[in-house]
Amino acid sequence: DAKTTQPNSMESNEEEPVHLPCNHSTISGTDYIHWYRQLPSQGPEYVIHGLTSNVNNRMASLAIAEDRKSSTLILHRATLRDAAVYYCIRTPYSGAGSYQLTFGKGTKLSVIP
Amino acid sequence: DTAVSQTPKYLVTQMGNDKSIKCEQNLGHDTMYWYKQDSKKFLKIMFSYNNKELIINETVPNRFSPKSPDKAHLNLHINSLELGDSAVYFCASSRNRANQPQHFGDGTRLSIL
Repeated sequence: DAKTTQPNSMESNEEEPVHLPCNHSTISGTDYIHWYRQLPSQGPEYVIHGLTSNVNNRMASLAIAEDRKSSTLILHRATLRDAAVYYCIRTPYSGAGSYQLTFGKGTKLSVIP
Repeated sequence: DTAVSQTPKYLVTQMGNDKSIKCEQNLGHDTMYWYKQDSKKFLKIMFSYNNKELIINETVPNRFSPKSPDKAHLNLHINSLELGDSAVYFCASSRNRANQPQHFGDGTRLSIL
């Protein structure tokens, strides 16, 4: 049980921004939100993660709702290489040590040239 | 340089055989994982090792045995292979801190004839 809900698929035009939504209405106060993506025939790739505040890195931005029940992954300019399955995953605070990622079905993003 | 490398990339073998998949990471991480992605594309955690100690062991048949000779390696040995073992197996690693990103290899595609 991934405990997050994402659309099965989305489309975007190349060079336009993409907003990938994720619902996690039963999130607890210490759960993190992680985003990973999986390109065809490759392993999952870390994109971004956050707890409460919005986060930015070189790949994307993560906007977390004030009540933390939803979040949005933002790709500022979609490229063909961004076509992948995007997974929104909530993980309980792990402390030091290992933690498991529970992957759901994700959102398959298609980028149109 | 590949951060997390798995060998072999493809493995085709007969039912009943014993096989091993090797994983090495050069990131200096203390924690390593094995995930399985089945034909429906669901990714599930199998094992996690932290400093060579088994931490997570999901419901996996005891035909699967992970071995960690040192922190940089986590190998997966499978006895008496069955048709249902056909899948893509991913190795991953992360730092030994709370909710650090996991870095995945490109996977080993196992096909049982």
